[in-house]
Amino acid sequence: QVQLQQTGPGLVKPSQTLTLTCAISGDSVSSNSATWNWIRQSPSRGLEWLGRTYYRSKWNNDYAASVKSRIRIYPDTSKNQISLQLKSVTPEDTAVYYCARVHNVGNPLLDAFDMWGQGTMVTVSS
Amino acid sequence: AIRMTQSPSSFSASTGDRVTITCRASQGIGSYLAWYQQKPGKAPKLLIYGASTLQSGVPSRFNGSGSGTDFTLTISCLQSEDFATYYCQQFYSYPPYTFGQGTKLEIK
Repeated sequence: QVQLQQTGPGLVKPSQTLTLTCAISGDSVSSNSATWNWIRQSPSRGLEWLGRTYYRSKWNNDYAASVKSRIRIYPDTSKNQISLQLKSVTPEDTAVYYCARVHNVGNPLLDAFDMWGQGTMVTVSS
Repeated sequence: AIRMTQSPSSFSASTGDRVTITCRASQGIGSYLAWYQQKPGKAPKLLIYGASTLQSGVPSRFNGSGSGTDFTLTISCLQSEDFATYYCQQFYSYPPYTFGQGTKLEIK
């Protein structure tokens, strides 16, 4: 059974870097049939996909244009986890952050976020 | 980015009712659409992918249909546990994946 367990601080000061971790059990971060995503949710922006990392012979990343200059998503294969770094945060980055898996078996019609972490409420405030 | 628009934004219904939620894409997305259910304080839960395929374990009273730009999620015979917020999301063109703004289903 696949589980995603998120850890990280609930409060970050403006201009600092937000770092969250998503530990994966029941699947491999290096799986050739999965992508690992970060999504956030706030009342003002709704559900917003931030980016993903995935392994297909090499590590790949895609990021949303809205955060592309500030974001990094990276794997830790030794711990079977992914991490999100978001730099220079402002109060607008206050949100619940989720990690989520897309289990990709080669048919894009089967794509969906089928497993989610429990969510981490992150508040950006001094 | 493809914009997903849901209607209504919220509505109320009674247990046993049949309800339909609509999702419209700003451009054609084929059948690359998923539906999620979210309850307060919880992560979204996948209900339907490929516009009409029920995720394993999801009750058969949930039904998805549509293709191109117009999609519907129908819940037949509402149960108490179905009162939640529902989101559509496209997988056709990314990055970015985009979600609808949500439809909150409340008890009448």
